[in-house]
Amino acid sequence: ILNVEQSPQSLHVQEGDSTNFTCSFPSSNFYALHWYRWETAKSPEALFVMTLNGDEKKKGQISATLNTKEGYSYLYIKGSQPEDSATYLCAFSSGTYKYIFGTGTRLKVLA
Amino acid sequence: ETGVTQSPTHLIKTRGQQVTLRCSSQSGHNTVSWYQQALGQGPQFIFQYYREEENGRGNFPPRFSGLQFPNYSSELNVNALELDDSALYLCASSLQELEGYTQYFGPGTRLTVL
Repeated sequence: ILNVEQSPQSLHVQEGDSTNFTCSFPSSNFYALHWYRWETAKSPEALFVMTLNGDEKKKGQISATLNTKEGYSYLYIKGSQPEDSATYLCAFSSGTYKYIFGTGTRLKVLA
Repeated sequence: ETGVTQSPTHLIKTRGQQVTLRCSSQSGHNTVSWYQQALGQGPQFIFQYYREEENGRGNFPPRFSGLQFPNYSSELNVNALELDDSALYLCASSLQELEGYTQYFGPGTRLTVL
């Protein structure tokens, strides 16, 4: 059974703090790792797709790294803002069709 | 470019009934996937359709079925509804030929089974 785990489950930080979350996934049969940002009552928004070991991706103040050999990815937010409050989901894929999601990290940034 | 849309937004049914949920793909996408998100869990893969054919299925019983139409829109049908089918149902579209197969999600349909 393939399992994807995210930690922490939830996180409260102050505005301006930097934070990071972890996604652990199976290290075998890796095809891609996806990060999504999901605000309440909206569609999950694709942040990054990572396919190569050592990949680093950046979008504004959000960045992600990937280690496929040990099966983990980190998502970093530098200088969190209240609008960064959302659930951050990672999804592992080993082929062309299904994603296996973690349960997400709920981030609340306090003004 | 139009994003992924789903209808209805919310739905209430009773046990034993049947339900149809609808999804319109993002323009240019040829693949649709459906996921179920129960409370406190991550989205669980139900199945995927590629060019109108089922392309993979998760661990869901046959009473969960689907269709993809020539315009790549899709339906999810659930027969003989059970209380545990109460969940958020997400549809995602993608273009198989793109690297990484990023899936783009709709906002979901919230199904409540009483």
